[in-house]
Amino acid sequence: DAGVIQSPRHEVTEMGQEVTLRCKPISGHNSLFWYRQTMMRGLELLIYFNNNVPIDDSGMPEDRFSAKMPNASFSTLKIQPSEPRDSAVYFCASSLAQHENNQPQHFGDGTRLSIL
Amino acid sequence: SQQGEEDPQALSIQEGENATMNCSYKTSINNLQWYRQNSGRGLVHLILIRSNEREKHSGRLRVTLDTSKKSSSLLITASRAADTASYFCATAAGSSNTGKLIFGQGTTLQVKP
Repeated sequence: DAGVIQSPRHEVTEMGQEVTLRCKPISGHNSLFWYRQTMMRGLELLIYFNNNVPIDDSGMPEDRFSAKMPNASFSTLKIQPSEPRDSAVYFCASSLAQHENNQPQHFGDGTRLSIL
Repeated sequence: SQQGEEDPQALSIQEGENATMNCSYKTSINNLQWYRQNSGRGLVHLILIRSNEREKHSGRLRVTLDTSKKSSSLLITASRAADTASYFCATAAGSSNTGKLIFGQGTTLQVKP
């Protein structure tokens, strides 16, 4: 079975450029999560969707960050304009959220983003 | 506030020894989960323990949960070099049904061959 698929795996770009990260969740999962991981701050939840609807975007650091989930099989995280401090590994995860919340999250292998 | 706090931050042991990692949390939970992250990879789910359970086993993994102390421990028995990774606990709030988890900072485990 295919897991969560993220693209690209690596992205190097200059500051000021627009960056778009992509995620395909596991088929049938109804919740999707975007995380950012750095050595300094650990794993941070940026935003998550349930049934394609954004539920909580309080973790999105600034208006430069935006996320969409146009359908159940695709989500994007966009940074515009990008800054060096956005350099991190960005993970997407999905789960089958049910009553009582007893389901694990499945992670992609992340996008390693470097902003020069 | 940080929900899950792991202890220790780093642990180095010899192959064959047992490794114990602890996690503390602050608010009421529905369940607690442990994840492993190998270098350069995403997190992988290891085991889930519900709030009404006290102990759970999966292969060489043993997880305990003490809701009165708001703490959990992960024991890896007879460790192997392949167990070298970072380990995270994550908690699911009792009121949420959207799958949201709060992750701790993780414990980095090094198993020396």
